[in-house]
Amino acid sequence: NAGVTQTPKFRVLKTGQSMTLLCAQDMNHEYMYWYRQDPGMGLRLIHYSVGEGTTAKGEVPDGYNVSRLKKQNFLLGLESAAPSQTSVYFCASSDPTGGGRMNTEAFFGQGTRLTVV
Amino acid sequence: DAKTTQPNSMESNEEEPVHLPCNHSTISGTDYIHWYRQLPSQGPEYVIHGLTSNVNNRMASLAIAEDRKSSTLILHRATLRDAAVYYCILRYPYGGATNKLIFGTGTLLAVQP
Repeated sequence: NAGVTQTPKFRVLKTGQSMTLLCAQDMNHEYMYWYRQDPGMGLRLIHYSVGEGTTAKGEVPDGYNVSRLKKQNFLLGLESAAPSQTSVYFCASSDPTGGGRMNTEAFFGQGTRLTVV
Repeated sequence: DAKTTQPNSMESNEEEPVHLPCNHSTISGTDYIHWYRQLPSQGPEYVIHGLTSNVNNRMASLAIAEDRKSSTLILHRATLRDAAVYYCILRYPYGGATNKLIFGTGTLLAVQP
């Protein structure tokens, strides 16, 4: 059981380039999230999705777009990368319905370290 | 979103108990108290959660104040592997936009051998 897988793990971009980060989960979770974490800081929510075909803005959505065309995948796009987007990006999934521990636990990927030069 | 307040850092000795405090004075009646931790260079991982009663699992215990305005994560015997940033988060348990996890800055726990 792979859990939450993020692709790629590392990437260096030049200012103005675009890229897409892929998050895949195999737990059939409804909810998926994208966070960024800057050095010495906690995670900040960029965008999230409460189901296939739906997305919503989080705390810091500017400069990013997302899509959830399939339930298992959540894509984060940077259309024109800026040095301020240098960060570690984490994807997570959870399912608020159901019982027991799975009711509320969120599972995180290992992160994508992005550097914009 | 209701906020939590945690100390920036704490230190512990190996094999001693650790009590990590969290204040959440604006907690609503339906918010669950969640704890996650983030080991170096890894994504956060779930530790424990509770609503009103104290909770125990294989990783830790969660003690919740009677008025629910504060809670304490207890690691019974700290190991070097427990060195991490610990996040206390309030989370609405049901579906919808309010179910999102909002992280604060957490407590950096250092464990000395």
